Amino acid sequence: GAGVSQSPRYKVAKRGQDVALRCDPISGHVSLFWYQQALGQGPEFLTYFQNEAQLDKSGLPSDRFFAERPEGSVSTLKIQRTQQEDSAVYLCASSPSASRDTQYFGPGTRLTVL
Amino acid sequence: GNSVTQMEGPVTLSEEAFLTINCTYTATGYPSLFWYVQYPGEGLQLLLKATKADDKGSNKGFEATYRKETTSFHLEKGSVQVSDSAVYFCALSDLELSFGAGTTVTVRA
Repeated sequence: GAGVSQSPRYKVAKRGQDVALRCDPISGHVSLFWYQQALGQGPEFLTYFQNEAQLDKSGLPSDRFFAERPEGSVSTLKIQRTQQEDSAVYLCASSPSASRDTQYFGPGTRLTVL
Repeated sequence: GNSVTQMEGPVTLSEEAFLTINCTYTATGYPSLFWYVQYPGEGLQLLLKATKADDKGSNKGFEATYRKETTSFHLEKGSVQVSDSAVYFCALSDLELSFGAGTTVTVRA
């Protein structure tokens, strides 16, 4: 079956622009996570959804970052007024349940802010 | 809070050599432990996992045992192949995943 998909795969933005990154999780998966992976580092947690509810956004680095999952499936991560330090790979993962289950990752969106 | 420390790389090996990547963790509860792998040009894939103490996860010839007494989850493979060249991440889950920094492994023919 289809895995987690993300679009776009690559995004170049000028500093100060707004960007929107999309995640299509595996159909029927309850949980959805966003992570940020800087070059040469492990992914860092940003935010977590259980269905349409955003239950944890403690990892969002600033109020310029906003995520939503309005119908409990597709999710969008929006970054307003992008800064150079936002350059990273943004990973989306989904899992079937609301417990500590295996997470399935998408290919990521590589964001470069010039 | 939760954290993972794994062996720094890069690691370069010859084919058929023994591979071990050390991973230790700090956690307040009883997390599940994972090894994820990222092959060149691909996304993160689950390699193996263990959900409780003394569990052994295994896949593709790799093994790791959840050791609560030493808070460790070291990854091992007895005979590596060129196709094992990748970045390996140790992670723990108390719902969201906490990852180590990753270890780059290169296997030479």
